[in-house]
Amino acid sequence: NAGVMQNPRHLVRRRGQEARLRCSPMKGHSHVYWYRQLPEEGLKFMVYLQKENIIDESGMPKERFSAEFPKEGPSILRIQQVVRGDSAAYFCASSPQRSGGEKLFFGSGTQLSVL
Amino acid sequence: AQKVTQAQTEISVVEKEDVTLDCVYETRDTTYYLFWYKQPPSGELVFLIRRNSFDEQNEISGRYSWNFQKSTSSFNFTITASQVVDSAVYFCALSEARDKIIFGKGTRLHILP
Repeated sequence: NAGVMQNPRHLVRRRGQEARLRCSPMKGHSHVYWYRQLPEEGLKFMVYLQKENIIDESGMPKERFSAEFPKEGPSILRIQQVVRGDSAAYFCASSPQRSGGEKLFFGSGTQLSVL
Repeated sequence: AQKVTQAQTEISVVEKEDVTLDCVYETRDTTYYLFWYKQPPSGELVFLIRRNSFDEQNEISGRYSWNFQKSTSSFNFTITASQVVDSAVYFCALSEARDKIIFGKGTRLHILP
C-alpha cells in the first residue's frame, strides 16, 4: 500500500534549465493535484488532472509551466527555463474521486532549488 | 470566491498547555468541506479531519478537538495537554462541492519542553 510517491525529493537546477517533477498517485487513484509551497505562504493550488486530462489549471502560471498525467506512468510537472522565483516545495496529492469533499493524500514533496 | 484565513502565523506554548489554532473561512456555497492537515518537520502533509457544512457537531479525537461554527465561519482546532511531538505547521483548508481544496497560510506551532 504505497502512498503517493514523488521524486526526486530534492532537485537543484541552474537558471534557464528545465525541471521535471514526478508524481505517482496512490494505487487506484486517478485524480492528481499539484500544489506549490513557498516559505510562509502556505500551499497554493496549481493544477488538477485526471488520467490524460487537465481539469483545472487555474493556479498554473501561463508560461513555462506545464503538467500532464498520461494513461500510463506518473504525473509530470514540468518547469521550463527555471528562475530563482521557482524555488519552492512542490507537493503532489491524489484522491480516488474528484475533490470537493474527498480528502487528499499527499506525497513528501519535491524541494526545487534554483541557483 | 473561497478563502481561508489563519491569522496566527506562529504560536509557542509550553508542553502540557492547551492551544487553539484559529481558522476563518469564506465561501458562497451552502455545501462545502473543511479540513485540517498537519505538516511535521519531515514535510509530508498528514490529514487530520474533514467536516462537511451540514455537520456542525464538534469532534474530539484523543487530545485533538475541533469546533465548527457556521455562524462565525470558523473551524478552530484545539490541542489539549500539548506535547513536543505536536510541533508542526497546521493548515486549515476548504473546498466547495466538486472543487479543489484551498489552504490557509498555516500556523507554525512550537511546543517547548
